[in-house]
Amino acid sequence: DAKTTQPPSMDCAEGRAANLPCNHSTISGNEYVYWYRQIHSQGPQYIIHGLKNNETNEMASLIITEDRKSSTLILPHATLRDTAVYYCIVRRLISNFGNEKLTFGTGTRLTIIP
Amino acid sequence: DAGVTQSPTHLIKTRGQQVTLRCSPKSGHDTVSWYQQALGQGPQFIFQYYEEEERQRGNFPDRFSGHQYPNYSSELNVNALLLGDSALYLCASRRGTGADTGELFFGEGSRLTVL
Repeated sequence: DAKTTQPPSMDCAEGRAANLPCNHSTISGNEYVYWYRQIHSQGPQYIIHGLKNNETNEMASLIITEDRKSSTLILPHATLRDTAVYYCIVRRLISNFGNEKLTFGTGTRLTIIP
Repeated sequence: DAGVTQSPTHLIKTRGQQVTLRCSPKSGHDTVSWYQQALGQGPQFIFQYYEEEERQRGNFPDRFSGHQYPNYSSELNVNALLLGDSALYLCASRRGTGADTGELFFGEGSRLTVL
């Protein structure tokens, strides 16, 4: 399974863009990049996912490098409620019958500073 | 629309006992996965169920077993509990099969403490 590497912690000023990097240099062609976040003692919350193209939704943007070996999650205007642990996940699809395994990275603890 | 619901939210067991955790997937979801999250660590994949069968399994011993019912709800059973089994157990569900089937919804978890 492809491994991911993330910085253990980051700070970002409230209102600024938070850019969270993830390295997944051993990712294979059928593996997606997912981002989840986990606020203390809650279940992980889906943010965004992508395969090779950049993606944007109401929460964030995902930038994937052309060689797919790394990606960056961008929270465009960080708020205090964005303080959480952010996980970069590589999703491996084994077959078309629901087989999959999410391998969580170490996570980045993002602290938004007022 | 209820999301993924898990029960119980907290429980305490002693070494050697057995525990059953329950999960109801989000409405319309048919695939359920279980994860173990030790304190300060990221979630670790235990296994996944689809069409009442275990489809994939992580690196967990046979003491960890599961079941999926026709209504898609699922159970996680752990036998002969060890102190190291203390963790937050997360259930996740999604709909459909195949590539890029969208996000995985997680429940709030069941926190198991083994004394």
